[in-house]
Amino acid sequence: EAGVAQSPRYKIIEKRQSVAFWCNPISGHATLYWYQQILGQGPKLLIQFQNNGVVDDSQLPKDRFSAERLKGVDSTLKIQPAKLEDSAVYLCASSLGLAGVGYEQYFGPGTRLTVT
Amino acid sequence: QQQVKQSPQSLIVQKGGISIINCAYENTAFDYFPWYQQFPGKGPALLIAIRPDVSEKKEGRFTISFNKSAKQFSLHIMDSQPGDSATYFCAARNTDKLIFGTGTRLQVFP
Repeated sequence: EAGVAQSPRYKIIEKRQSVAFWCNPISGHATLYWYQQILGQGPKLLIQFQNNGVVDDSQLPKDRFSAERLKGVDSTLKIQPAKLEDSAVYLCASSLGLAGVGYEQYFGPGTRLTVT
Repeated sequence: QQQVKQSPQSLIVQKGGISIINCAYENTAFDYFPWYQQFPGKGPALLIAIRPDVSEKKEGRFTISFNKSAKQFSLHIMDSQPGDSATYFCAARNTDKLIFGTGTRLQVFP
């Protein structure tokens, strides 16, 4: 089966610019996650969707970050305006349902964002 | 209390040796403990996972040891191979959210 697809793979922008990332989850996966992975740290959950509804966005800096999942499939994560501290790898993951035992999260390759 | 502490930060092991990575947690509400393997330029991939009602789980060369009373769990990689060189993350699940450790960079030399 095809894995989680993300694009672009790399992005370099200047601070205060905007950027958007795209994610296509594994077909049939109802749950979609966006994580931020800063260099040398583990992934940190930003937002979680169940179909097209938000389950948890408590860690999402809503003053600059936004995300949507139209029609419960693809998702986009946007940052506007970007700050230097947003430099990180943004990972998208999907699972069949909620992360119960047996509902493994499958990760995409990530988008490496550099803010200069 | 939502943290998962992981050590060591980096680990160098000779081929054929045993690699051991440790994690500790505080929140007793965690109910699922997976380990992820991440190669450069790739996303994390599930390696092995355990529930707190089990003290050990083995899959091939990979073993999780779980100590519920001490709130600690560890990954053991037996007969470590150069292909095992990667970053390993422990994680813990609470109400459907995964909390990741800070990662251990493992290097296995021939």
